[in-house]
Amino acid sequence: GAVVSQHPSWVICKSGTSVKIECRSLDFQATTMFWYRQFPKQSLMLMATSNEGSKATYEQGVEKDKFLINHASLTLSTLTVTSAHPEDSSFYICSARPLYSGNTIYFGEGSWLTVV
Amino acid sequence: AQTVTQSQPEMSVQEAETVTLSCTYDTSENNYYLFWYKQPPSRQMILVIRQEAYKQQNATENRFSVNFQKAAKSFSLKISDSQLGDTAMYFCAFMNPQGGSEKLVFGKGTKLTVNP
Repeated sequence: GAVVSQHPSWVICKSGTSVKIECRSLDFQATTMFWYRQFPKQSLMLMATSNEGSKATYEQGVEKDKFLINHASLTLSTLTVTSAHPEDSSFYICSARPLYSGNTIYFGEGSWLTVV
Repeated sequence: AQTVTQSQPEMSVQEAETVTLSCTYDTSENNYYLFWYKQPPSRQMILVIRQEAYKQQNATENRFSVNFQKAAKSFSLKISDSQLGDTAMYFCAFMNPQGGSEKLVFGKGTKLTVNP
């Protein structure tokens, strides 16, 4: 149980285009999902906290207009990188907290984004 | 703000031996959660073990155990009978569930290599 799935695992897009990454909780409902970015050989950097049915809470320094987050249901959150640039190339990971988890958070497999 | 410090960027251990990874944290809260996550080369974040701060007993999960010293704000991970599959990045993480925010604060990670 407690599986979180991300799609796509790999994506290449052209500079200036937008790309959407999905995060789904497959066997549980999640009122809260989190989006992280991980640079090579570094730790996870929290970008935003996504709450179902409300606006996401972004961490300081994260551009909300560039990284659009939508949490339309209890099992799906999406991250859209708008007008992507090569510097947005990175590994993006989502995580989700089950409704009744006792504060354990589960992670998706991550998505590699390459902007060319 | 809470911080998590992992002072060992890299460690290595021989197969079947025991290794201990260090983690310290800083918080003024009394109730919180601590986690160790493993990130193998696949980049999937895997929960290794968790500890509730109000519990005095150290958490154990098979070959993995922690030494939780609340007063010293220390949370080390001991891996017994190390296996080749334990080779991975290990991240210590802190969560303060007060106020409805369950976001994880990560340390910078320790790269563990298990040698045959």
